[in-house]
Amino acid sequence: QVQLVESGGGVVQPGRSLRLSCAVSGFTFSDYAMHWVRQAPGKGLEWVAVISDDGNKKYYADSVKGRFIISRDNSKNLVQLQMNTPRSDDTALYYCVREDDSSGGPLDHWGQGTLVIVSS
Amino acid sequence: DIVLTQSPATLSLSPGERATLSCRASQSLTTYLAWYQVKPGQAPRLLISDASNRAAGIPDRFSGSGSGTDFTLTISSLEPEDFAVYYCQERGYWPSLTFGQGTRLDMK
Repeated sequence: QVQLVESGGGVVQPGRSLRLSCAVSGFTFSDYAMHWVRQAPGKGLEWVAVISDDGNKKYYADSVKGRFIISRDNSKNLVQLQMNTPRSDDTALYYCVREDDSSGGPLDHWGQGTLVIVSS
Repeated sequence: DIVLTQSPATLSLSPGERATLSCRASQSLTTYLAWYQVKPGQAPRLLISDASNRAAGIPDRFSGSGSGTDFTLTISSLEPEDFAVYYCQERGYWPSLTFGQGTRLDMK
């Protein structure tokens, strides 16, 4: 079955870097766009970034643009989020999410999330 | 940018009751409106896509409706496992994607 397993979260100091990874299985990874969505403590869901199925298109929320980098390795079934110069308001549970290739592209499979705490 | 406003913020109901959750868009949408269920410690779950299509494995007590700017998620008869937070999400031109602020469904 479809599985998305995030890793790499933890406590990071403001301004230091952190890389999140998401290992996927159970589907043809190279056929699907992949997203990162986050949820800050006590807050709602916030879209962070997306990467196209071939990795050629990448888009970011304004809140992370210029600081975060999304990437993927289709040979390893891996998608990553490089978090550069994180701030306290980046503290959140980060979900790796698959975009369905059907009409409207809903987010049809989510990982359990990896928690990032930005704190000195 | 499209803003999705969900109401009510919190809904307190008992098992067996009917739940009606609203999602209003700041401008007319395509029908690319989805609903998700989020429970603590669990992966969020897609319930409804294209405003009214139930995702695979979703019980038929969940239904979605609406078009234009007003969309509704209805749970016909609440089960204990349905108490959670629900989010609507619109999909404009790729990659545009926006979530509502959520409705918390509490057990009375």
